[in-house]
Amino acid sequence: GESVGLHLPTLSVQEGDNSIINCAYSNSASDYFIWYKQESGKGPQFIIDIRSNMDKRQGQRVTVLLNKTVKHLSLQIAATQPGDSAVYFCAENVGTGGSYIPTFGRGTSLIVHP
Amino acid sequence: DVKVTQSSRYLVKRTGEKVFLECVQDMDHENMFWYRQDPGLGLRLIYFSYDVKMKEKGDIPEGYSVSREKKERFSLILESASTNQTSMYLCASSTGGLAGENEQFFGPGTRLTVL
Repeated sequence: GESVGLHLPTLSVQEGDNSIINCAYSNSASDYFIWYKQESGKGPQFIIDIRSNMDKRQGQRVTVLLNKTVKHLSLQIAATQPGDSAVYFCAENVGTGGSYIPTFGRGTSLIVHP
Repeated sequence: DVKVTQSSRYLVKRTGEKVFLECVQDMDHENMFWYRQDPGLGLRLIYFSYDVKMKEKGDIPEGYSVSREKKERFSLILESASTNQTSMYLCASSTGGLAGENEQFFGPGTRLTVL
């Protein structure tokens, strides 16, 4: 029979507002974290990354915050635009055999209202 | 412009058919990955490969196999397709090593429907 998917967490904001998307990760050995954006009909695309020796990293209009104590990651988007509407995934990475193998969160749907 | 391409955007197959999904990357990446994506479940790793002829099981390998005969190409095989394999399949690649930016580059996805 047809499977029933889980509902994605959704964040609705007005254009121009700041957005904060949160992510809890599970593995205390994870030392590299990435945020991806997935627009409808496309594969995920890299937004920003951060390593465990940092607690904040800034990009263009985006900031990632890492709190290792509570295993929490957040993505802040400044002055959110309609083009930011997408599903956002966090990925935690543990080095395995000399490479990073990511584990993805379920994703958060961001809806920006003009 | 770096690219990961997948052989089909949409595919419809019948139960029991053998299905091949092809992925090619032009970035000389060591690592390649196959995921399936279902509503609300995020991306689940099926198989990955560190190098040519090498493969490792991911979280949900049952019902799938893979082949990596050339560095740029990673194939996902459904030996006998079943309806519960109806899904979006995403291929990705990344550089090896633990330094620098190690993000994954994704293809556009193949939406497979098994009838």
